[in-house]
Amino acid sequence: ETGVTQSPTHLIKTRGQQVTLRCSSQSGHNTVSWYQQALGQGPQFIFQYYREEENGRGNFPPRFSGLQFPNYSSELNVNALELDDSALYLCASSPPRGGAFFGQGTRLTVV
Amino acid sequence: EDQVTQSPEALRLQEGESSSLNCSYTVSGLRGLFWYRQDPGKGPEFLFTLYSAGEEKEKERLKATLTKKESFLHITAPKPEDSATYLCAVGLNNNAGNMLTFGGGTRLMVKP
Repeated sequence: ETGVTQSPTHLIKTRGQQVTLRCSSQSGHNTVSWYQQALGQGPQFIFQYYREEENGRGNFPPRFSGLQFPNYSSELNVNALELDDSALYLCASSPPRGGAFFGQGTRLTVV
Repeated sequence: EDQVTQSPEALRLQEGESSSLNCSYTVSGLRGLFWYRQDPGKGPEFLFTLYSAGEEKEKERLKATLTKKESFLHITAPKPEDSATYLCAVGLNNNAGNMLTFGGGTRLMVKP
């Protein structure tokens, strides 16, 4: 068990709606990253937060946004949901030495 | 462009039949090669990190090796409980944590 927890575990939303996913990082980890994993594919990097600021972003539009809080927990917000946003969303926390430890993910279904 | 390719996409083995999974990469500024195991519907579980060519790490029936262009995950005498998707990822040079670029994974099925 990694100590990274995500909520909720499953979520169903309607196209056009907004969603917020939450992640509680492992103690001592100061960096949090979010990934999107479509069925049958490897995870794709969305963005990373370090000291409450975004410091890296993958090829995702601005309707994907995030926050990191002083206690290193994090949120992923997605606006104007599209059907293709249906995926497993993974949060990963990283210690100062590097590496990434993942939570169990949130399965988002957009209908 | 940074790229990670895993082969084969799927692999069926009989229990006890050893084999290897391949992860080839073309990246600039490699900062670690990571192997993960992922069970259906769950998050990836960390297995190994390799940092330099020639490095090897072992854990139970798994052994990971690294060259300048690829990594192998060797599975010795696999058991049905080793069935999972195995993901490799490369960490890119940045100053905080690791941004990982993943391959598509190898889906391993071990039959009793």
